[in-house]
Amino acid sequence: AQSVAQPEDQVNVAEGNPLTVKCTYSVSGNPYLFWYVQYPNRGLQFLLKYITGDNLVKGSYGFEAEFNKSQTSFHLKKPSALVSDSALYFCAALLSGTASKLTFGTGTRLQVTL
Amino acid sequence: EAGVTQSPTHLIKTRGQQATLRCSPISGHTSVYWYQQALGLGLQFLLWYDEGEERNRGNFPPRFSGRQFPNYSSELNVNALELEDSALYLCASSSWTRTYEQYFGPGTRLTVT
Repeated sequence: AQSVAQPEDQVNVAEGNPLTVKCTYSVSGNPYLFWYVQYPNRGLQFLLKYITGDNLVKGSYGFEAEFNKSQTSFHLKKPSALVSDSALYFCAALLSGTASKLTFGTGTRLQVTL
Repeated sequence: EAGVTQSPTHLIKTRGQQATLRCSPISGHTSVYWYQQALGLGLQFLLWYDEGEERNRGNFPPRFSGRQFPNYSSELNVNALELEDSALYLCASSSWTRTYEQYFGPGTRLTVT
């Protein structure tokens, strides 16, 4: 079955350190991949997407993600974390044959501390 | 440019009642999507509407239904509410040509008691 996985429920990082939030996918064909962020009591905010082209995608707020086809991964990264980055992060994919239905990972809570 | 708006922000209903949630898409967007974010279940796709037609449906019972109006706004109706329907309901919109680029509203928190 096609799916998106976020293996870590929570990631803890100190402010100023680089952060990585992991995402892997299992799909047939070429997926469209996305990262969204959710702050408490808020909807989802779009961070970035991979459709085709360069494997390194740059998005909002200094985030970037690297598409790795051989490892079927789309990890979210930021060179220097901020306390304000603390939130819930969702990886999502538009899987082939699902007609615009986004399939989400279970989410990873990022906690950035001083 | 105004984003996706949803109303009400919070809704409290009793089991067995009906709930109606509303969504206004970004201007120029014709597609509206509904997702359910329930505790422990993550984000689940509910419905997709475009040009007034239901285009796709997730694995939810028929008591979850909706419609899209000529101005592209949408309603989600949940009949015969059950306790497990308590969740954050998120609406998203996109243009028809870029359905992969969905922008989300702030959500409606439905509590069923």
